Amino acid sequence: EPEVTQTPSHQVTQMGQEVILRCVPISNHLYFYWYRQILGQKVEFLVSFYNNEISEKSEIFDDQFSVERPDGSNFTLKIRSTKLEDSAMYFCASGWGRTDTQYFGPGTRLTVL
Amino acid sequence: QKEVEQDPGPLSVPEGAIVSLNCTYSNSAFQYFMWYRQYSRKGPELLMYTYSSGNKEDGRFTAQVDKSSKYISLFIRDSQPSDSATYLCAMSEGGSNYKLTFGKGTLLTVNP
Repeated sequence: EPEVTQTPSHQVTQMGQEVILRCVPISNHLYFYWYRQILGQKVEFLVSFYNNEISEKSEIFDDQFSVERPDGSNFTLKIRSTKLEDSAMYFCASGWGRTDTQYFGPGTRLTVL
Repeated sequence: QKEVEQDPGPLSVPEGAIVSLNCTYSNSAFQYFMWYRQYSRKGPELLMYTYSSGNKEDGRFTAQVDKSSKYISLFIRDSQPSDSATYLCAMSEGGSNYKLTFGKGTLLTVNP
């Protein structure tokens, strides 16, 4: 069964450093998402992406964040200058249609020291 | 008022019990309702997906949506120890707004 994959599974970085989180969505999906989950809190929407552009973004997704689909398979989330409060699990999700179910990857645990 | 409220539990039941998990919401624009299962430090796994009001059954799982009461439920019949996980409800408006809004999750333990 096709699945969303994410790398790395765990990333440790120093405050102020740039990180890139990578995702390979399910191959025929057209809609891509990033969510995050701070330990003990809700899963929160960050951004959605369709047709090579951002469709919607949350208040969390400020200028420090960017997303890209550099090729036909990868979908990346970049945090330019990490803060301590960026420490969280980051989940990539994909879906075939706009209101279709979203399938989540296993997540990348980001630890900012 | 929080947009989606879910009792975090924890909920502990014996094997074979019927489990009832619930969420309430305040946004009447929500039309799509999902239940995800999440094991510790893993990604959410889709269990059930329903549109608008009504019931949907899949094996031991039944999802119910009551839009008039802004209340959704997930029932698990004949619960198994492998059902032990955190259950997340999630919702979206559809149309041009399809981001998922999640509840905080209910931690369920099924004891053998």
